[in-house]
Amino acid sequence: AQKVTQAQTEISVVEKEDVTLDCVYETRDTTYYLFWYKQPPSGELVFLIRRNSFDEQNEISGRYSWNFQKSTSSFNFTITASQVVDSAVYFCALSEANSGNTPLVFGKGTRLSVIA
Amino acid sequence: ETGVTQTPRHLVMGMTNKKSLKCEQHLGHNAMYWYKQSAKKPLELMFVYNFKEQTENNSVPSRFSPECPNSSHLFLHLHTLQPEDSALYLCASSQNFLPGLAGESSYEQYFGPGTRLTVT
Repeated sequence: AQKVTQAQTEISVVEKEDVTLDCVYETRDTTYYLFWYKQPPSGELVFLIRRNSFDEQNEISGRYSWNFQKSTSSFNFTITASQVVDSAVYFCALSEANSGNTPLVFGKGTRLSVIA
Repeated sequence: ETGVTQTPRHLVMGMTNKKSLKCEQHLGHNAMYWYKQSAKKPLELMFVYNFKEQTENNSVPSRFSPECPNSSHLFLHLHTLQPEDSALYLCASSQNFLPGLAGESSYEQYFGPGTRLTVT
């Protein structure tokens, strides 16, 4: 069975601080996909990144970076020099590729508040 | 319009009412999804349609009835709801339902802004 755990329910940081959002996943499949979504106050989930299980290369996109570690089943998300506009709920999600119908399984989300 | 749109954005209904939520995607996708987001709960997948055919129904009560007349439109018909059904209902779409079809990147789900439903 697939499961995603985001242990941090809420995080508050001061603007310009770096912040890391943790994501730990469980899966029995060797082929799977990991995602991060951002949900601002408007409610719409915004896709940020997809990573497949065969690609452990870390990725950087502007102030965002992702650290995928299969050894610890983690896919952590770091925001560098945080800004107020980064305030949102961030969801990590997992999809197994070899289990027939494959919905996304989401973590409970981490609410990030960036204070000016 | 672009992306995924949902109407209405807010809905208040009594337990005896019948209402419908509408979702429309302008992305040329083939799969559409309904999710329920309650306070302090993970996102819950409700229904999946792939090429207008329902492929997933996660034990959703019959008071929720989906309809997918074509690949661009998805409805969620509501009747005799309960107060615990109050939540944010999110619609999403993706190019394909399973990864690996026409490339991995076609699998990402794109979400609409949601309908905030309150059942009184």
